[in-house]
Amino acid sequence: EVQLVQSGAEVKKPGESLRISCKSSGYSFTNYWITWVRQMPGQGLEWMGRIDPSDSYATYGPSFQGHVTISADKSISTVYLYWSRLEASDTATYYCGRFNDYTGERFFDPWGQGTLVTVSS
Amino acid sequence: HSALTQPASVSGSPGQSITISCTGTSSDVGGYYYVSWYQQHPGKAPKLIIYHVNNRPSGVSNRFSGSKSGSTASLTISGLQAEDEADYYCSSYTTSSTWVFGGGTKLTVL
Repeated sequence: EVQLVQSGAEVKKPGESLRISCKSSGYSFTNYWITWVRQMPGQGLEWMGRIDPSDSYATYGPSFQGHVTISADKSISTVYLYWSRLEASDTATYYCGRFNDYTGERFFDPWGQGTLVTVSS
Repeated sequence: HSALTQPASVSGSPGQSITISCTGTSSDVGGYYYVSWYQQHPGKAPKLIIYHVNNRPSGVSNRFSGSKSGSTASLTISGLQAEDEADYYCSSYTTSSTWVFGGGTKLTVL
């Protein structure tokens, strides 16, 4: 069974750093890309960026470029989303999703269960 | 790319059909067949229900169908059931090699 399992909820203060994870299983990790999607409280989905785990090539949406970093560790089939300095506006649930850019399967399936990040002083 | 435009809410009675629209531009919905739809129940992760405009993943009910005309895609749910009550999001690949989502539509089953 293909699964994406995300790390648990986090509570952080503004200015702190944070890395959350998305661990893949049930398929060849380097054959699919991973995307990250933000959902702020009570709001819709926003595409943040994506990474090709085979070479760690990542691209970002304009709203997120320079604010987050997406990385991958092939040895443990895990993709990360990292903030060096959190802001209160980063409070949201973050989802990872799988897609296959190589074959043109440009849809996200499956998704991780989500990671709630709360940033508050 | 601005968010795709969806109605904020739609409603229907059990057994009826509803359609949710998703309007973009020639740079996203109008330019590709990479339109997908996701269902999200409260507190849950999104679930893929339609991909590449009108394809259903294995296990998704055939009551769900998709279509596209120009820069507007549509999701139709026939034979509404109580379990269909959820938020629905469209998404499209774009000419910038990014993705864009719609603002979401809350479906209420009366």
